[in-house]
Amino acid sequence: GAGVSQTPSNKVTEKGKYVELRCDPISGHTALYWYRQSLGQGPEFLIYFQGTGAADDSGLPNDRFFAVRPEGSVSTLKIQRTERGDSAVYLCASSFDSFSGNTIYFGEGSWLTVV
Amino acid sequence: AQKVTQAQTEISVVEKEDVTLDCVYETRDTTYYLFWYKQPPSGELVFLIRRNSFDEQNEISGRYSWNFQKSTSSFNFTITASQVVDSAVYFCALSFKAAGNKLTFGGGTRVLVKP
Repeated sequence: GAGVSQTPSNKVTEKGKYVELRCDPISGHTALYWYRQSLGQGPEFLIYFQGTGAADDSGLPNDRFFAVRPEGSVSTLKIQRTERGDSAVYLCASSFDSFSGNTIYFGEGSWLTVV
Repeated sequence: AQKVTQAQTEISVVEKEDVTLDCVYETRDTTYYLFWYKQPPSGELVFLIRRNSFDEQNEISGRYSWNFQKSTSSFNFTITASQVVDSAVYFCALSFKAAGNKLTFGGGTRVLVKP
């Protein structure tokens, strides 16, 4: 597609529920990233993929968070047993590859609210 | 440790005034990249510029200009003759070779341009 596409754009869920957030990167981009942005703060890195493999998942806050990219294109961020503290904007991004310095292009984010 | 500091949390100007956003970074790597992104109310992070650590030339793009000074570890951004459409949150970010293409963001500076 023309840009990074994320669905849903907004999600309200109850505490303890399971949530999936989807990202469709720019066509031809092999690297895909997930960031989380809390209100009034800068985005924080969660995980990135080069192709199908997770190259760096050091930013995932705990084992309730998991992400996959089975065919090297679309990725899904999965959050189990959601907590109110998980409420944030989840930003997906992509770049041509994961070599340092490549421009990273972001989607509009998925706003997650846990009530 | 890598760190990006944007000391100004919010700047308010009247249209046509110039505004300069400060960005100070910390890294022990000799090869690194600096970025500026704009985040309008819609939420999407819009790429503005990328600069590598070996290129200290200042850059101008229309009303935007950037001043990179390695001696002070700063990468400041100036908007000349500001317009209402420039109202947004601006983020400075750093990536370094050893960590692939993972971005570390500053906390952002909110710019409000009043007509």
